[in-house]
Amino acid sequence: AQSVTQLGSHVSVSEGALVLLRCNYSSSVPPYLFWYVQYPNQGLQLLLKYTTGATLVKGINGFEAEFKKSETSFHLTKPSAHMSDAAEYFCAVRGSYNQGGKLIFGQGTELSVKP
Amino acid sequence: GAVVSQHPSWVICKSGTSVKIECRSLDFQATTMFWYRQFPKQSLMLMATSNEGSKATYEQGVEKDKFLINHASLTLSTLTVTSAHPEDSSFYICSAPIDEQFFGPGTRLTVL
Repeated sequence: AQSVTQLGSHVSVSEGALVLLRCNYSSSVPPYLFWYVQYPNQGLQLLLKYTTGATLVKGINGFEAEFKKSETSFHLTKPSAHMSDAAEYFCAVRGSYNQGGKLIFGQGTELSVKP
Repeated sequence: GAVVSQHPSWVICKSGTSVKIECRSLDFQATTMFWYRQFPKQSLMLMATSNEGSKATYEQGVEKDKFLINHASLTLSTLTVTSAHPEDSSFYICSAPIDEQFFGPGTRLTVL
């Protein structure tokens, strides 16, 4: 069974400050891990993903995440927040043995960016 | 990246009527599509897996007679909410996978 926990349903940062959104997962098989962003009344856009290989993954819009197997974590970071980063962020996991299979989502973290 | 569309983007209907939502993969073929439901300020909950040429697989607790899924072709899956009630009001999102999942823009359903 797989699950995802996002710590903090709401995170607020100042523009230019570091963004850190936390995600911990549970998986009985090697996981594929994803971060998605959702703007109001829109679908999900993929920010980045970890499948195999390098544990530090770079994504779009300056975001990156690091897969830490020992900590079962996949936290999302961005060095300097922009106002346009305000959105809902979802971490998700999929068993790597199930290519194209269903995703299990975390509860989501709403990111607010203050001017 | 691959594009998934949904139609309509929003719909308002009266209680007791049925509503059909379409999900299309525009530039690739999808033998599998996923349907999610999202309530305000909540995460996405997988409702069912739509399989081209066979029956959909529903998640536990999802009424298959209420949420009818038809995967008519390799680029089209439809979700019909039958006899809709106000509690069915939600944001419905579909996705189609290649290596990763590509999401449609969502359909906002409001049942009066």
